[in-house]
Amino acid sequence: QQKVQQSPESLSVPEGGMASLNCTSSDRNFQYFWWYRQHSGEGPKALMSIFSDGDKKEGRFTAHLNKASLHVSLHIRDSQPSDSALYFCAASEHGGGSNYKLTFGKGTLLTVTP
Amino acid sequence: NAGVIQTPRHKVTGKGQEATLWCEPISGHSAVFWYRQTIVQGLEFLTYFRNQAPIDDSGMPKERFSAQMPNQSHSTLKIQSTQPQDSAVYLCASSRQGNNQAPLFGEGTRLSVL
Repeated sequence: QQKVQQSPESLSVPEGGMASLNCTSSDRNFQYFWWYRQHSGEGPKALMSIFSDGDKKEGRFTAHLNKASLHVSLHIRDSQPSDSALYFCAASEHGGGSNYKLTFGKGTLLTVTP
Repeated sequence: NAGVIQTPRHKVTGKGQEATLWCEPISGHSAVFWYRQTIVQGLEFLTYFRNQAPIDDSGMPKERFSAQMPNQSHSTLKIQSTQPQDSAVYLCASSRQGNNQAPLFGEGTRLSVL
């Protein structure tokens, strides 16, 4: 069973719209979450981390974590065509340092249409 | 600053041949991770090193895959007797010691086994 599950598999939003991506962990050891973004032909790039319950905002991106349900979401406000990419949720047992590995979901393909 | 450097970017091998993939982590980063990316399986963890020592190779196919980190400036992933199912993008990432330090990925090596 995939330990980190993402939904939807793909999502299309109009330029300027709000994109909402979801992620759930089935492993209670996974308490720390990251969001990555991957454009075609490139490696994944870290967007943001969230380790505490509640919201974390970085520019147009807001992550929300509910530790009780191990559900994390990513909301992209004012979506731009350059936001079109594959978005990964990743989870780990540790919050930082070089003592952990990340387990990734299968990704959500976001398309922002002009 | 140079990011994680992976060479070659593309590699084509015949079935049964050996493939060696190279990774140069970001200077000062203490952990190096290897992942494999395919459409079907997504991003799969293979192995990682901390301060050049192997920490976790739980994702490595045992028989034909091996990874080494002979010095702090490079790591190699070797696949012996390559098979068509080994075709994938192999991604290397490195991270700094400390809290909230995201692994930073290279652009990957696309391996095609004919």
